[in-house]
Amino acid sequence: AQSVAQPEDQVNVAEGNPLTVKCTYSVSGNPYLFWYVQYPNRGLQFLLKYITGDNLVKGSYGFEAEFNKSQTSFHLKKPSALVSDSALYFCAVRVSILTGGGNKLTFGTGTQLKVEL
Amino acid sequence: DSGVTQTPKHLITATGQRVTLRCSPRSGDLSVYWYQQSLDQGLQFLIQYYNGEERAKGNILERFSAQQFPDLHSELNLSSLELGDSALYFCASSVARDRVSTGELFFGEGSRLTVL
Repeated sequence: AQSVAQPEDQVNVAEGNPLTVKCTYSVSGNPYLFWYVQYPNRGLQFLLKYITGDNLVKGSYGFEAEFNKSQTSFHLKKPSALVSDSALYFCAVRVSILTGGGNKLTFGTGTQLKVEL
Repeated sequence: DSGVTQTPKHLITATGQRVTLRCSPRSGDLSVYWYQQSLDQGLQFLIQYYNGEERAKGNILERFSAQQFPDLHSELNLSSLELGDSALYFCASSVARDRVSTGELFFGEGSRLTVL
């Protein structure tokens, strides 16, 4: 089975400091990895994805993620956090239609990011 | 705005009742996905349709059913509702004009169901 794990339920960081939200994956074959953000009472918004190519992927709102095949990780990062970045962040992996998955995304449990002044 | 529209936004009903949630995907997207988000279960994949046909099935209860119509909108039917069905139900669509897609999903704002 293909899955992602987000080991931290919550991450606290001071505004202006760098932030990291961790994600590890388990897939057979090449992974398609995604990060989404959810603000209160809203739907999920796409931040970035890794399909192939450069290990450092840049996305929306200044976020980036680093794909590390040897560590099976896809951590989300931002050099300088903002209070407005406070939200729930989800890592996800695409299950390939070639394995019968139908291209659905399997999500992690989410990490609540709190950025304080 | 993702371009995915879900109605209703909020729904309160009683146990044993039946409700229908509606989703209009982004213009041109052929795939529709339904997810359930609850505090104890997180985001759970329910079912996917591609151009009117069921493509993948996840943790969808037998009391739940879905379909995708020729105009590509989709409906999720929930029947014999139980307290535990209270959750946020999301619809998403993707740019899957062929069988294989590496693209992201675009989510609607969700339908919040409360079963009393």
